[in-house]
Amino acid sequence: AQSVTQLGSHVSVSEGALVLLRCNYSSSVPPYLFWYVQYPNQGLQLLLKYTSAATLVKGINGFEAEFKKSETSFHLTKPSAHMSDAAEYFCAVSDGKSGNTGKLIFGQGTTLQVKP
Amino acid sequence: EAGVAQSPRYKIIEKRQSVAFWCNPISGHATLYWYQQILGQGPKLLIQFQNNGVVDDSQLPKDRFSAERLKGVDSTLKIQPAKLEDSAVYLCASSPGTGELGRPSNTQYFGPGTRLTVL
Repeated sequence: AQSVTQLGSHVSVSEGALVLLRCNYSSSVPPYLFWYVQYPNQGLQLLLKYTSAATLVKGINGFEAEFKKSETSFHLTKPSAHMSDAAEYFCAVSDGKSGNTGKLIFGQGTTLQVKP
Repeated sequence: EAGVAQSPRYKIIEKRQSVAFWCNPISGHATLYWYQQILGQGPKLLIQFQNNGVVDDSQLPKDRFSAERLKGVDSTLKIQPAKLEDSAVYLCASSPGTGELGRPSNTQYFGPGTRLTVL
């Protein structure tokens, strides 16, 4: 069975500081991994996804994530936080079967607070 | 390209009443999902459709929840009767099946959700 663990339900950084949101996954098959962002009263927006190509994945709004199989991790980073980055972030895993459009298994979410 | 549409955005009902949510996926997307997001948690899949057929409804409480996707496009999710623990945001998502260069794509695109409050 697949699962996702997001370490830290709340992360607070100062504007301009490094953002690091942690995600560890468990999967018996090569996974597809995703990071989504959710702003208040809105749906989820895809930030980036890993689909077994390059291990360093670049997404929107300056975010990137690195797939580390040995550590079963897919941490999300951004070099310099902006006030507009304050939101809820979800890591998700899907099984990597070719052509499959299976369900996403989400982590509990991490709330990012950006202080001026 | 229009995104996933959902209505209503907000709904307040009393327990034991019934409620229905509507979703219109992105045009051409064959796969449609309904997720339940309880406050403070990540979304959890309730049901997945491929065209108008059910692929996965293992987590759907079938004694009170039902969903259909007639003609393989729009979908409705119904709760009857509602319980207090059904208070949540109900998210609809769709996926194209194939993406760039015809490769399989399992990227899911989410609608804004319907926030249900059961009193």
